[in-house]
Amino acid sequence: QVQLVQSGAEVKKPGASVKVSCKASGYTFTSYGISWVRQAPGQGLEWMGWISAYNGNTNYAQKLQGRVTMTTDTSTSTAYMELRSLRSDDTAVYYCARDLLGTHDYWGQGTLVTVSS
Amino acid sequence: EIVLTQSPATLSLSPGERATLSCGASQSVSSSYLAWYQQKPGLAPRLLIYDASSRATGIPDRFSGSGSGTDFTLTISRLEPEDFAVYYCQQYGSSPITFGQGTRLEIK
Repeated sequence: QVQLVQSGAEVKKPGASVKVSCKASGYTFTSYGISWVRQAPGQGLEWMGWISAYNGNTNYAQKLQGRVTMTTDTSTSTAYMELRSLRSDDTAVYYCARDLLGTHDYWGQGTLVTVSS
Repeated sequence: EIVLTQSPATLSLSPGERATLSCGASQSVSSSYLAWYQQKPGLAPRLLIYDASSRATGIPDRFSGSGSGTDFTLTISRLEPEDFAVYYCQQYGSSPITFGQGTRLEIK
């Protein structure tokens, strides 16, 4: 069965970086993309960007350009999302999701990133 | 970017009733690339509907989607207790992908 398993919760100070992993199983990793979506406490869903697991092409949300990098390791079927220069408003649950032409049919369990001094 | 506006913000209904949730787009959504997700507290969203009207794998047929252009609807024909949750629409026809702010479906 398709599974996306994310790394554990993180607590970071303002200005630091965080890297969240998302290990995929149960399907051919390179046949789909991975999108990253975040959700601030009590708020809605915000799309952060997408990466093709086939060729590494990326498309980032404009507001995160320059602070976010998405990568994949096809040898381990793992996707990564790194966010730099963290601010308090980056505190959120970060989700990876399998992406097929923009639909997100399987999701990871979420990773809580807390940014606090 | 395309802004999605969901209404109502909160919908209070009883089990067995019909629920109608709306999603309006600020511009026409290309090729009806509109999806609906259900989210329960502490869990990841679950894909219900894609391409405006196609049910995702394993989704009961009481869930249906309709619409095109700028107006879309999610209908739950007869509410079951497990259907009370927050629902989000999402457009993926143009970049950036955007989500609506959500409709909370609560038990009356």
